[in-house]
Amino acid sequence: DTGVSQDPRHKITKRGQNVTFRCDPISEHNRLYWYRQTLGQGPEFLTYFQNEAQLEKSRLLSDRFSAERPKGSFSTLEIQRTEQGDSAMYLCASSLNRGEYGYTFGSGTRLTVV
Amino acid sequence: SQKIEQNSEALNIQEGKTATLTCNYTNYSPAYLQWYRQDPGRGPVFLLLIRENEKEKRKERLKVTFDTTLKQSLFHITASQPADSATYLCALDGGTGANNLFFGTGTRLTVIP
Repeated sequence: DTGVSQDPRHKITKRGQNVTFRCDPISEHNRLYWYRQTLGQGPEFLTYFQNEAQLEKSRLLSDRFSAERPKGSFSTLEIQRTEQGDSAMYLCASSLNRGEYGYTFGSGTRLTVV
Repeated sequence: SQKIEQNSEALNIQEGKTATLTCNYTNYSPAYLQWYRQDPGRGPVFLLLIRENEKEKRKERLKVTFDTTLKQSLFHITASQPADSATYLCALDGGTGANNLFFGTGTRLTVIP
């Protein structure tokens, strides 16, 4: 297992289009998180899954955002009707339980909405 | 409101010196605090975790302290090297029942050869 993988690394899309990102966590980790990071800021929590259940969503996650984790393995984050303000780095992380041994992050997907 | 503040946006130090980064928080009662390193265009990498009942934790050239009375953590890199240049993020959990980490804005460290 080589860590958390995210695909694609970069995505440029026109405003109003839908985009979907994929995250493959470390297989032994039962928790998966999505964060968003803009330039000069720390990562901001979006949502988290324990196995296949989505247990918490930030109020940052508008109704245009949806995340899934079918069968408790990989996860997808979809943004519908993208806006320029959605431009950011989208980071996925996984952890064992509450993360007492740290979170393992992927390299992120850089989204640019033009 | 809840806040996590890291002492400065950028810190420049000479190679071989000790870098000290500060993380202050308000309106949190974390069970633990973590430090991460982030290089440009990459995700954060976990470095150290310190629990609320621990005063100090060390790992190689890294040392973290945690003062829950002052609501502050200090992160030290001794004998700094140019390869230590990166952004360092502190993160803490939201306390009992919380299920995610909250991050500070980070401090960009540059070690000058």
